[in-house]
Amino acid sequence: KAGVTQTPRYLIKTRGQQVTLSCSPISGHRSVSWYQQTPGQGLQFLFEYFSETQRNKGNFPGRFSGRQFSNSRSEMNVSTLELGDSALYLCASSLGVPGGISYEQYFGPGTRLTVT
Amino acid sequence: AQKVTQAQTEISVVEKEDVTLDCVYETRDTTYYLFWYKQPPSGELVFLIRRNSFDEQNEISGRYSWNFQKSTSSFNFTITASQVVDSAVYFCALSEADRRAGSYQLTFGKGTKLSVIP
Repeated sequence: KAGVTQTPRYLIKTRGQQVTLSCSPISGHRSVSWYQQTPGQGLQFLFEYFSETQRNKGNFPGRFSGRQFSNSRSEMNVSTLELGDSALYLCASSLGVPGGISYEQYFGPGTRLTVT
Repeated sequence: AQKVTQAQTEISVVEKEDVTLDCVYETRDTTYYLFWYKQPPSGELVFLIRRNSFDEQNEISGRYSWNFQKSTSSFNFTITASQVVDSAVYFCALSEADRRAGSYQLTFGKGTKLSVIP
């Protein structure tokens, strides 16, 4: 089974620009979560999508948004980029079926975003 | 609010030594899940284990073992006979249900960087 894929792997943007990152989950997984990883703040939860609906959102400004398509692929968008948005953005997929079980999340290789 | 503490920022051991990575968590829920992930230099987080709050049995998988103690809110990870390939950052994570949203999110500790010296 193919793992979680993320594109692009590396990105360099300028302050004020916007960026879109893409994630393809493991086949059969309907939940996609996004995390930001920085040296200072560590791994922080951005949001989670299940069946094209955002089910949960972390404590990030509205510049961070996402969506999920009918094939479970997901994109996240960051508008008006700031220097502090430089980070490794990780996507994770899981079965995520509601029912009181926290399924393990499988992570992609990440997108390294550098804002200059 | 949930919280995960990995007090050991960096650990160095000589190959073949045993090493234990500590994880202490805080939660108000009675139902929760604990995880360990490995992040090698390549950057991808690799899932190692999931444990729910009702299962306190210790688990062993090859050279890896996990000790879950609810009484001390700890979920420690031991690598026996460490190898150079074990060098990575290891993250402990806690997941609680957001019953309103019907979903779970992972709260990670800051990670422990393990260096295994040949």
